[in-house]
Amino acid sequence: DAKTTQPPSMDCAEGRAANLPCNHSTISGNEYVYWYRQIHSQGPQYIIHGLKNNETNEMASLIITEDRKSSTLILPHATLRDTAVYYCIVRADSGSARQLTFGSGTQLTVLP
Amino acid sequence: DARVTQTPRDKVTEMGQEVTMRCQPILGHNTVFWYRQTMMQGLELLAYFRNRAPLDDSGMPKDRFSAEMPDATLATLKIQPSEPRDSAVYFCASGIHYNEQFFGPGTRLTVL
Repeated sequence: DAKTTQPPSMDCAEGRAANLPCNHSTISGNEYVYWYRQIHSQGPQYIIHGLKNNETNEMASLIITEDRKSSTLILPHATLRDTAVYYCIVRADSGSARQLTFGSGTQLTVLP
Repeated sequence: DARVTQTPRDKVTEMGQEVTMRCQPILGHNTVFWYRQTMMQGLELLAYFRNRAPLDDSGMPKDRFSAEMPDATLATLKIQPSEPRDSAVYFCASGIHYNEQFFGPGTRLTVL
């Protein structure tokens, strides 16, 4: 699985969009980009994933660059409850669940 | 609302004692993962099972850790004998498709 690079921390004002970047320059053609988050003292939570097209769900949007070497997770209207560590993970998929390799992630702090 | 459950939520024990952690995966999920989280190492995979068969336990110290799935509704992680360096939060996760893993609330283990 390709390695990812994320900034260690970011701040965002409540109600504003939070844009979390991730670099994955060694990603290969069959690897997906996943985002999970971990709120303090809880288990990680799946947010979104994508291959090459931009994706949106009720939690967030995922923007993947055309060369797929980087991506951005967007929380459109951040709330205090979005304060968490956000993990960007790159992984190939075989149709069945496989292990996740977590990096150090980005600590997002949403400020009132 | 289906969830992964883990027991106990907190465990304090003395060095040398046996520790057993339990996980009930979401009904119908065929893959179960055990992760460990420490401040120093972050989240790391210990072992995982598919259809109750162990697929990978290379992340576990073999001499003291063991993981089993006696049936489809129960996964166990046992440490015998426990050591202070085993102090961590242990997460169980389950999944069926490649796209999402559901994590339990974790067991916080403290070995004195």
